[in-house]
Amino acid sequence: NAGVTQTPKFRVLKTGQSMTLLCAQDMNHEYMYWYRQDPGMGLRLIHYSVGEGTTAKGEVPDGYNVSRLKKQNFLLGLESAAPSQTSVYFCASSYWRGDGYTFGSGTRLTVV
Amino acid sequence: DAKTTQPTSMDCAEGRAANLPCNHSTISGNEYVYWYRQIHSQGPQYIIHGLKNNETNEMASLIITEDRKSSTLILPHATLRDTAVYYCIVRVGTGNQFYFGTGTSLTVIP
Repeated sequence: NAGVTQTPKFRVLKTGQSMTLLCAQDMNHEYMYWYRQDPGMGLRLIHYSVGEGTTAKGEVPDGYNVSRLKKQNFLLGLESAAPSQTSVYFCASSYWRGDGYTFGSGTRLTVV
Repeated sequence: DAKTTQPTSMDCAEGRAANLPCNHSTISGNEYVYWYRQIHSQGPQYIIHGLKNNETNEMASLIITEDRKSSTLILPHATLRDTAVYYCIVRVGTGNQFYFGTGTSLTVIP
C-alpha cells in the first residue's frame, strides 16, 4: 500500500515555463488537497477536491490550476511559473473531510 | 475563524512525557481539534483529533479542556524520533480549510 505518491520529487523551472505536479493515492479517498509550504509560513491550502470531477479554491489559488479526472489522481498545474512559486508542494488525501489527512513526501520546486 | 496559538519551541528529555499546549479560544461547538507533526523535510503526519472528550491512540493522548478553549498533546515517552514540528489545527466552520500555522518545534534531548 503506497499511500500518497507525488511526482516529481524535485524540479527546477525557468520563469514562464509550465509544469504539472502529479499526486496519486491508492486508498480510495474521496478528498484530495494541494498545499504549499514556505519557510516560516506553515502550510497553505492551494486547491482541493471533494470527489472525482470536482475542484475548489483554497487559501492561495492564484497562478495554479487543478484537475481531478480520476478519483485516485489530483494534478496541480503551473501555466507560467514565477519565482514566487518556489516552494515545497504537498499533496494530501482523506476518505472524508473529518478524517486525518495522509500526506505525500512533497515536491521541491525552484523557479529561477 | 478559529485559529490556534502554540509556543514556538519546546525541549523535552528523552524518555519523559512531552506536553504540547495549544490555545483555540475562538473554537466553535462543532469544530474538532487536530494534531499533526512534521519531521524535517517530510510530509506532515496525522497524530490524533478530538471534539470534547480526551482521546488516546498508539501515538499520543489529547486532552481538551472542558470549555474547549485549549488542549494538550501528550507524547508519553518521548524519543529522539519525536523531534519534529507539531501543528495544532481546528477546522474552519464547515469548509475544508486547515490552517496549519507555524506550530511548535519540539526537540527531544538525549
